[in-house]
Amino acid sequence: KQEVTQIPAALSVPEGENLVLNCSFTDSAIYNLQWFRQDPGKGLTSLLLIQSSQREQTSGRLNASLDKSSGRSTLYIAASQPGDSATYLCAVRPGRDKLIFGTGTRLQVFP
Amino acid sequence: IAGITQAPTSQILAAGRRMTLRCTQDMRHNAMYWYRQDLGLGLRLIHYSNTAGTTGKGEVPDGYSVSRANTDDFPLTLASAVPSQTSVYFCASRTDRDGYTFGSGTRLTVV
Repeated sequence: KQEVTQIPAALSVPEGENLVLNCSFTDSAIYNLQWFRQDPGKGLTSLLLIQSSQREQTSGRLNASLDKSSGRSTLYIAASQPGDSATYLCAVRPGRDKLIFGTGTRLQVFP
Repeated sequence: IAGITQAPTSQILAAGRRMTLRCTQDMRHNAMYWYRQDLGLGLRLIHYSNTAGTTGKGEVPDGYSVSRANTDDFPLTLASAVPSQTSVYFCASRTDRDGYTFGSGTRLTVV
C-alpha cells in the first residue's frame, strides 16, 4: 500500500531563508508527483507537477525534484517570504484513479 | 476564469437531511473527483469519474453518491447526513499533462 510521508510537519523560519521540504513515498511505481499549497480555510493550489520520467520542475522561486528509485521528492523554496506561509502537500499518483496525499508541512515565514 | 466552482461554500445541515454539493468545471476535463479533508486524516477520495456517464468508488464512499450526466458537472449527494460527514469537501479535475486542479471547497457541518 502506497504511503506518503512529509518531513518536517511544521517549520518556522525568518524571511529570506532558503528552504527544503521533504516528501517520501513507499512504492516507486507512480505516474507523477504533484506539490500543492493550501492556505488556511482555502482550497489546494497546484505548485508543480513532476512526471515519472522527469527529475525536476521549476517555477519561479520553487524547484521540485523527484528520485523515484529512492522514493523521494524535495520542494526547494528560495528566498522565502511571509507570503509563502501555508501548508505544503505532496501527492503521488500511483494509478489512474487515485492521488495519495502526504500529511503536509505547515510553513511559517516571519518578517 | 477557468477552473472549478463549488457551491455552497459552507453549510450547516441537520442530521438525516439530504444534501447535494455542486461542482462545475469549465476546462472540459474528463476526470473528476470528490475528496474530503479531515484534521489528522488528510485528504481521502470519496468518488471519482473518468468520463461523462461513468463513476467509481474511492476510499470512503459509504453514505455518498455521485452522478456524471455531462463533462462539466459532478454533484455529490449525501442521502441522509450524519455527524461523521462533517468535513471540508473538495472537488477536483485532472489531466495527464497538468495534474489535478481543485475547487475552493465546501465546509459542511452536520448537527
